[in-house]
Amino acid sequence: GDSVTQMEGPVTLSEEAFLTINCTYTATGYPSLFWYVQYPGEGLQLLLKATKADDKGSNKGFEATYRKETTSFHLEKGSVQVSDSAVYFCALSGSSNTGKLIFGQGTTLQVKP
Amino acid sequence: IAGITQAPTSQILAAGRRMTLRCTQDMRHNAMYWYRQDLGLGLRLIHYSNTAGTTGKGEVPDGYSVSRANTDDFPLTLASAVPSQTSVYFCAISDTKGDQPQHFGDGTRLSIL
Repeated sequence: GDSVTQMEGPVTLSEEAFLTINCTYTATGYPSLFWYVQYPGEGLQLLLKATKADDKGSNKGFEATYRKETTSFHLEKGSVQVSDSAVYFCALSGSSNTGKLIFGQGTTLQVKP
Repeated sequence: IAGITQAPTSQILAAGRRMTLRCTQDMRHNAMYWYRQDLGLGLRLIHYSNTAGTTGKGEVPDGYSVSRANTDDFPLTLASAVPSQTSVYFCAISDTKGDQPQHFGDGTRLSIL
């Protein structure tokens, strides 16, 4: 079945460092891909999405490119801030096209000043 | 997240008790979902509903039931709570199209003693 695998966390970076959080997926068909962010004590918020191969989603300085050849959707940011400390979830829309999402296990990012 | 209300915010419950978690939306989205979030496991789908009057089982449905009498409400019931159901529960909504993101509520933190 469809699945999402994220890199193990936690990831600890200094402010202004470059961020990469790896995400790979297994799916039949052509799923849409999403990154969600969860700040402490809050629900998940959509960060960015891509709906087809080679699409680049971007928001708040974060980017991710839908790579069908490597089945990946890695999240990147050029210069992280303390306020980016959160848990990041990669997700894909299920092949049944019902809107159901399959999530990775989440990666905790801690940014130190 | 505006448009989705979950209640209660948190609850401590004795094992064996019955509990209903409430989720109400005012965005008129067709699809609604219940997830549980556990450390290291990410979000796992419990039950879902693609439209009023229909429900389906997710990845971890055992011990939970749902109903969808109308578009706005999607309550989750634990008929006889067990400690393994201690978790944070999130309600989400979306359009049923596969490329649409889900919008999440703020969650209910449930502890079963």
